[in-house]
Amino acid sequence: EPEVTQTPSHQVTQMGQEVILRCVPISNHLYFYWYRQILGQKVEFLVSFYNNEISEKSEIFDDQFSVERPDGSNFTLKIRSTKLEDSAMYFCASGGLPGGRYTDTQYFGPGTRLTVL
Amino acid sequence: QKEVEQNSGPLSVPEGAIASLNCTYSDRVSQSFFWYRQYSGKSPELIMSIYSNGDKEDGRFTAQLNKASQYVSLLIRDSQPSDSATYLCAVKSTGNQFYFGTGTSLTVIP
Repeated sequence: EPEVTQTPSHQVTQMGQEVILRCVPISNHLYFYWYRQILGQKVEFLVSFYNNEISEKSEIFDDQFSVERPDGSNFTLKIRSTKLEDSAMYFCASGGLPGGRYTDTQYFGPGTRLTVL
Repeated sequence: QKEVEQNSGPLSVPEGAIASLNCTYSDRVSQSFFWYRQYSGKSPELIMSIYSNGDKEDGRFTAQLNKASQYVSLLIRDSQPSDSATYLCAVKSTGNQFYFGTGTSLTVIP
């Protein structure tokens, strides 16, 4: 069964450094998402991406965040200058098949745990 | 601020019983509603989606939606210890943005 994959599983970085989190969505899915979940808190929407552009972003997704789909398979989240409060689990999700009736069903990857020291 | 509210629990039910999980949401124009299961340290796993008022059944799971009351629920019949997890309610607002509740922790006691 196809699944969303994410690398790395755990990333440790120093405050102020740039990190890139990588995701390979399920093939043929049209919509891609990034979420974060701070330990013990709820899953928070960051951004949705469709047709090679951002379709929605939350207040959390400020100028230090960016997303890219550099080729036909990868979807990346870049955090330019990490802060302590960026420490969280970051989930990528994908969904929506061409011609599918329900495009908002999402399947989550296993997550990348980001630790900012 | 669009909110999705859930009782954090913990909710404990004996094995074989029905577990009832509830969720309310604030954005009246929301159209799509989802239940996810999240085991500790793992990613959310989709259980069900529901779009229309009424009930939707899938195996041991039944989702119920009442848009007038802005209320979504999930019933788990014949609860099993493997159902012990945190259950997340998610709502899609206008556009393509999703809001999650804090989750309800369910423990099924053998």
